[in-house]
Amino acid sequence: NAGVTQTPKFQVLKTGQSMTLQCAQDMNHEYMSWYRQDPGMGLRLIHYSVGAGITDQGEVPNGYNVSRSTTEDFPLRLLSAAPSQTSVYFCASSYGGRNGEKLFFGSGTQLSVL
Amino acid sequence: DQQVKQNSPSLSVQEGRISILNCDYTNSMFDYFLWYKKYPAEGPTFLISISSIKDKNEDGRFTVFLNKSAKHLSLHIVPSQPGDSAVYFCAASAPSNTGKLIFGQGTTLQVKP
Repeated sequence: NAGVTQTPKFQVLKTGQSMTLQCAQDMNHEYMSWYRQDPGMGLRLIHYSVGAGITDQGEVPNGYNVSRSTTEDFPLRLLSAAPSQTSVYFCASSYGGRNGEKLFFGSGTQLSVL
Repeated sequence: DQQVKQNSPSLSVQEGRISILNCDYTNSMFDYFLWYKKYPAEGPTFLISISSIKDKNEDGRFTVFLNKSAKHLSLHIVPSQPGDSAVYFCAASAPSNTGKLIFGQGTTLQVKP
């Protein structure tokens, strides 16, 4: 039982480069979301999706793009990486409704932008 | 503007004693609160939750208390064990934003043997 799988685990980018962080879940969850974790800031919501074809912005969406073409996958795109995007990124999924708050997280992607 | 705040970055307790982690929130629309636990190099895992219609929820050694008038919740761990050493995040959501959790900054708990 894989749960939520994130790739890659580590990535180093140069300023201005673009890349896609991959996220896949095999639990048939409706909800998926992306968070970033920074020291002293906790987890901040970047984008989330309540189902295939539906996405919305979170607290810190600038510089990131998402799409959800299937229930299983929710990739996060960095359009033009900046040093301020150095962070640990977590993908999460959950069932719908109020139980949607019980998120299942992946193990994270540590991103450094030089 | 931090809507969910954990004002204690760290807490150290002796094994067997009680650990109390605190969390404050500002948004009166929040009606569902959760605690997550995170070990290094892993994603957070769900620990316990509470709805605003309750003031207490227990699950084994873990109890969450909610004081709506003070906009405050706390997580009690009794007895604390060394394996409880981790970062604890509280989180909140509002009915209009189901699935959209707002997290606090986290508190690092160290339980000493």
